[in-house]
Amino acid sequence: NAGVTQTPKFQVLKTGQSMTLQCAQDMNHEYMSWYRQDPGMGLRLIHYSVGAGITDQGEVPNGYNVSRSTTEDFPLRLLSAAPSQTSVYFCASSRQINEKLFFGSGTQLSVL
Amino acid sequence: AQRVTQPEKLLSVFKGAPVELKCNYSYSGSPELFWYVQYSRQRLQLLLRHISRESIKGFTADLNKGETSFHLKKPFAQEEDSAMYYCALSGSGTGGFKTIFGAGTRLFVKA
Repeated sequence: NAGVTQTPKFQVLKTGQSMTLQCAQDMNHEYMSWYRQDPGMGLRLIHYSVGAGITDQGEVPNGYNVSRSTTEDFPLRLLSAAPSQTSVYFCASSRQINEKLFFGSGTQLSVL
Repeated sequence: AQRVTQPEKLLSVFKGAPVELKCNYSYSGSPELFWYVQYSRQRLQLLLRHISRESIKGFTADLNKGETSFHLKKPFAQEEDSAMYYCALSGSGTGGFKTIFGAGTRLFVKA
């Protein structure tokens, strides 16, 4: 059972480039979310989804887009990368909202 | 607004000493509270949640609604407890239902 799978594990971008971080889960979870992890700031919620076709903004949504066309997939798009988006990104899912979160292994992103 | 505060960035204790990682929250309703742990080179994982009221790896946490706290405690720390610990809150607020995290506390247990 794969759980939550994130790709890529590492990525280097130049300022202004766009890219998509992939997240997939095989547990039929309704709730999925994206966090960024920065030293001294912990995990901050970027966007989340409570089911296919439904997304909402978290604490730090600017510069990121998401969509949820299927239950399994929840990609995170960086529209025009900036150095301030250098971070470790985690995708997480849970069976329902307010239940235990299962995390992916993370994507380390550097924007030069 | 929902908020989770972990006042200590770093906590260092000797093996066998008691440990308490502090967590305070701000929330107007009845929150679901969790502690997550990230060991070196491992994924973030749930340590415990307040609703289950169980002890995991010797850790316990009690929800104190009066003080809006959910401190994590262990009577005798072990070296393998060294990790990053995050307190998290799930609740509804402006913009929907979501889970937010504190800034985290890094625990070092010295031999």
